[in-house]
Amino acid sequence: GQNIDQPTEMTATEGAIVQINCTYQTSGFNGLFWYQQHAGEAPTFLSYNVLDGLEEKGRFSSFLSRSKGYSYLLLKELQMKDSASYLCAVLDSNYQLIWGAGTKLIIKP
Amino acid sequence: GAVVSQHPSWVICKSGTSVKIECRSLDFQATTMFWYRQFPKQSLMLMATSNEGSKATYEQGVEKDKFLINHASLTLSTLTVTSAHPEDSSFYICSAREGEAYNEQFFGPGTRLTVL
Repeated sequence: GQNIDQPTEMTATEGAIVQINCTYQTSGFNGLFWYQQHAGEAPTFLSYNVLDGLEEKGRFSSFLSRSKGYSYLLLKELQMKDSASYLCAVLDSNYQLIWGAGTKLIIKP
Repeated sequence: GAVVSQHPSWVICKSGTSVKIECRSLDFQATTMFWYRQFPKQSLMLMATSNEGSKATYEQGVEKDKFLINHASLTLSTLTVTSAHPEDSSFYICSAREGEAYNEQFFGPGTRLTVL
């Protein structure tokens, strides 16, 4: 079966750095997405990785290793507004998006 | 960036009634639209995928006669929850994608449905 694993919840301090991991086992791979979702709101796109390596976009970076079935989202200089759920999703061989359960990130002052 | 709207934002209805939710892509042509359901503190659950002008493809366990999806144009899809019951109360979110499958999905703001 297809499976995406990410931690249920993480806590970090304002101004610090946090890394949210995502591992996946899917039938084929056509890319991995990270989305941010604030409580009661719809998800917003953060990043898309299809090749191995690190993609940096401001305070957020996303890393992919296809051989390890692994990705992480790195958030730097954390702000209180970064408190949200972070969803990892993989596009499988049928181009269907498989969603992880999400990681709830709590930022403390 | 691309904008997707949903209407209504929230709705309260009586058990047994039907509710229609609209999803519109405002500044792009949505060749594919998706309908998701999300229960509190849970992840997104894909209900169905629809391509403009063709029948929706429903995920396993989703009743197509209960959740009617119409993707009549490249900018509009509707989800009708027929004979709603309290267990249908949830956050319904649509998303839209233009072109290839590796393009990002743009999400609407969601519709919170409460069935009394």
